[in-house]
Amino acid sequence: QQQVKQSPQSLIVQKGGISIINCAYENTAFDYFPWYQQFPGKGPALLIAIRPDVSEKKEGRFTISFNKSAKQFSLHIMDSQPGDSATYFCAASQGFGNEKLTFGTGTRLTIIP
Amino acid sequence: GAVVSQHPSRVICKSGTSVKIECRSLDFQATTMFWYRQFPKKSLMLMATSNEGSKATYEQGVEKDKFLINHASLTLSTLTVTSAHPEDSSFYICSASGIQETQYFGPGTRLLVL
Repeated sequence: QQQVKQSPQSLIVQKGGISIINCAYENTAFDYFPWYQQFPGKGPALLIAIRPDVSEKKEGRFTISFNKSAKQFSLHIMDSQPGDSATYFCAASQGFGNEKLTFGTGTRLTIIP
Repeated sequence: GAVVSQHPSRVICKSGTSVKIECRSLDFQATTMFWYRQFPKKSLMLMATSNEGSKATYEQGVEKDKFLINHASLTLSTLTVTSAHPEDSSFYICSASGIQETQYFGPGTRLLVL
């Protein structure tokens, strides 16, 4: 019940296209859902996060869509750029970010010219 | 965002020796720090959670006597891998958060045990 399932495992998108990564969770006590971006050999960096009281949050080219009834949330990257090529992790926790995070398995995103 | 540093960034040691990794919050007070381990092309695995001034809480399956965690101040936590063996080789990442704040991750420390 603590798992967060993430798909796809890898994704190739053309430059300028939309990258979509999906996550699903079981634990209804989760109420904080961040997305992290990780480049090789570096630590994860917080990209964007959402709480269940809203269905969508947008920051620049990055949007989180949240479906509470389906227990799913997704990351959309608009106008994808080669610099977006990285591994993306969704995560979930009970309470705010200072609580233990449960991570998804990661999606390796490659943006091709 | 807030800055978290780790030192060293990479370390090579001989089997049987101990290695200490430092995690510092540079511009905020971290009431909680987390230590993760990450294998190549895999997700982050939480090892332990530490609150300033308290004993760390270890995840199931993590040997607390092997991975010693100290969180003596609001800006510093250390992870000591005792009697390291080749199977301890990994990428170790810390994160830190203040009260009611999100987690900020350090850049990671790559440990190679020969």
